[in-house]
Amino acid sequence: QVQLQESGPGLVKPSQTLSLTCTVSGDSISRGGYYWTWIRQHPGKGLEWIGYVYPSGSTHYNPSLKSRLTISIDRSKNQFSLNLRSVTAADTAMYYCARDGGPTSGWYFDFWGQGTLVAVSS
Amino acid sequence: QSVLTQPPSASGTPGQSVIISCSGSRSNIGSNSVNWYQQVPGTAPKLLIYRNNQRPSGVPDRFSGSKSGTSASLAISGLQSEDESDYYCAAWDDSLSGGVFGGGTKLTV
Repeated sequence: QVQLQESGPGLVKPSQTLSLTCTVSGDSISRGGYYWTWIRQHPGKGLEWIGYVYPSGSTHYNPSLKSRLTISIDRSKNQFSLNLRSVTAADTAMYYCARDGGPTSGWYFDFWGQGTLVAVSS
Repeated sequence: QSVLTQPPSASGTPGQSVIISCSGSRSNIGSNSVNWYQQVPGTAPKLLIYRNNQRPSGVPDRFSGSKSGTSASLAISGLQSEDESDYYCAAWDDSLSGGVFGGGTKLTV
């Protein structure tokens, strides 16, 4: 069974960088065919797609976050990471990592992490 | 403002059926598959329907999905109290070049 687990600080100061890691077990992140994705949910709100990284290292980002965002992959640790720069209170959210089967599958997220709540506050 | 439009709430009594709609455009639902997620408050979303009408193993056949043009629907029959959750539709959007979600529908049973 594939499992994903987010980790990172729960509190980040404004203007700093939000850094999260997703550790994958039960599947090799290096195996092609899956897109490793970040999704967030503002308190009491709906879901927002952040972006993905493919095993090759190629990435694709939400245009609204692209200028502040880097998603990377560490195949040796079976992890992928999110770095969001210059954060504000508007970045306070629950952050989820998920596995996406990509265009050939229909772009659905079949496995999700439990989520990690990140607050941006001084 | 979500790209996909869902009603904010829906309700039904045990045993009844309910349909949740999801409206989009040519660049998302009109061009790509629709997927549905169930989220019990305080937990991560769970894949409920994929590729418009496919159920992952373990999802009861009380849940079904359909798509027509730029709209999709999630139907739940034989409502049970445990179905009380938030439901989200999602699709890839070719114009935005990214994933998009509906705003979610809170189902009360």
